Formats: sequence, structure tokens, C-alpha cells
Amino acid sequence: AQKITQTQPGMFVQEKEAVTLDCTYDTSDPSYGLFWYKQPSSGEMIFLIYQGSYDQQNATEGRYSLNFQKARKSANLVISASQLGDSAMYFCAMREVFSGGYNKLIFGAGTRLAVHP
Amino acid sequence: DSGVTQTPKHLITATGQRVTLRCSPRSGDLSVYWYQQSLDQGLQFLIQYYNGEERAKGNILERFSAQQFPDLHSELNLSSLELGDSALYFCASSLDGNTIYFGEGSWLTVV
Repeated sequence: AQKITQTQPGMFVQEKEAVTLDCTYDTSDPSYGLFWYKQPSSGEMIFLIYQGSYDQQNATEGRYSLNFQKARKSANLVISASQLGDSAMYFCAMREVFSGGYNKLIFGAGTRLAVHP
Repeated sequence: DSGVTQTPKHLITATGQRVTLRCSPRSGDLSVYWYQQSLDQGLQFLIQYYNGEERAKGNILERFSAQQFPDLHSELNLSSLELGDSALYFCASSLDGNTIYFGEGSWLTVV
């Protein structure tokens, strides 16, 4: 069965510094997708970045980049130049694909990031 | 704004009651997913619809049901509510499965 592991329950970073949130995954499928979401205290789930298993380059979206190491089965999120508004819960997720084209996301337990001024 | 609209944002109801949560997907997205987020269970996949048809079922209780209508909006029906059903319920939508956007969620409190 597919599994997502986020080993850091909580992290803190100084404002304007970079931070890496860890995510490892386990799957035997050759085709999969990896996602990161941000959940602020207000509750909404905000899509940040996506990496496909066949993508040759690491995904980037503004200050977010995904450090994809396929052989190590890791998909760490790097946030550059942290801002106070980055304080939130961050979830790593993997798309599990079934025959017939349907799919679902399985989520890690999350990492709570606190950005300090 | 993700483009996925969920109503209501908050509701409080009594045990044994029934509620309906509504979701409008992003324009053009054919897939709708429902997730439940609770403190003890984390984020759990409930069910997926694609263009009106049920495609995948996760940890959805028999007391819960969902459907997707011809205009692609979806409803999640929760009946015989129990205290343990209190959670944040998310709807998400996707066109191709590579970008999956979530709504703001519906906070359900069962008292």
C-alpha cells in the first residue's frame, strides 16, 4: 500500500531564511504524483506545488520548490525567504491511481511550521 | 481563491440529525473528491466522482452518501450524525488529477 511519511511534527524558521520540510513516500507504482498543501489556521487547504514521477526537473512555484529524489523516494518542500504568513500546517500527499482512471490523494500527518520574526 | 466553493462554511447540529454539504467544483473540472479531516484521523479520503459517476470509495461510512449532478456540483449527505462525525469536510476538484484544488471546507460540529 502507498504511504506518505512526514517525520517533522513541528519546525520553526527565522523570517527571510529558507526551510526544508521533509516528505518520504512508498509506492510500487511507476506512475504517481506528489503534492504539497498549506493549511493555515483558518482551515482552508491551499495547493502549493505538484511533481509527477516522470518529471525530469524539480517543480518550482514562486518561493516553493520541490526537491524530488526519486531513488530515495523523497519529495521535500523548500520554502525560500520565509515570511510570517508562511506559518501554517503543511501536508505532503501522493496521488494513488487505480485502474479505470480514478485516483485519490493520501496524506501525510503534516508538519507545523512557525516563522519567527 | 481555489475556485472550489463549499457551503455551508460552518454548521452545528444535534446527534441523530442529517445534513447536506454542497460543493461546486472549479469551472471545467470533472472530478470531485470528498475528504474528512478530524483531529484523530487526519485527512481521510471519502469518495470520488467523475462526470457524474462514482469512481472511488474510501473510508466512507454507510450513513454517508454523495452524488454528483449533471451540472457537476456535488453533495455529501451525512445522516444519523454522531459526535465523532464532527470534522472539517473538504471538497476538491480536478481536471486531470495533476492539480487538485480544495475548497475552504465545511466545519461540522455535532452536539
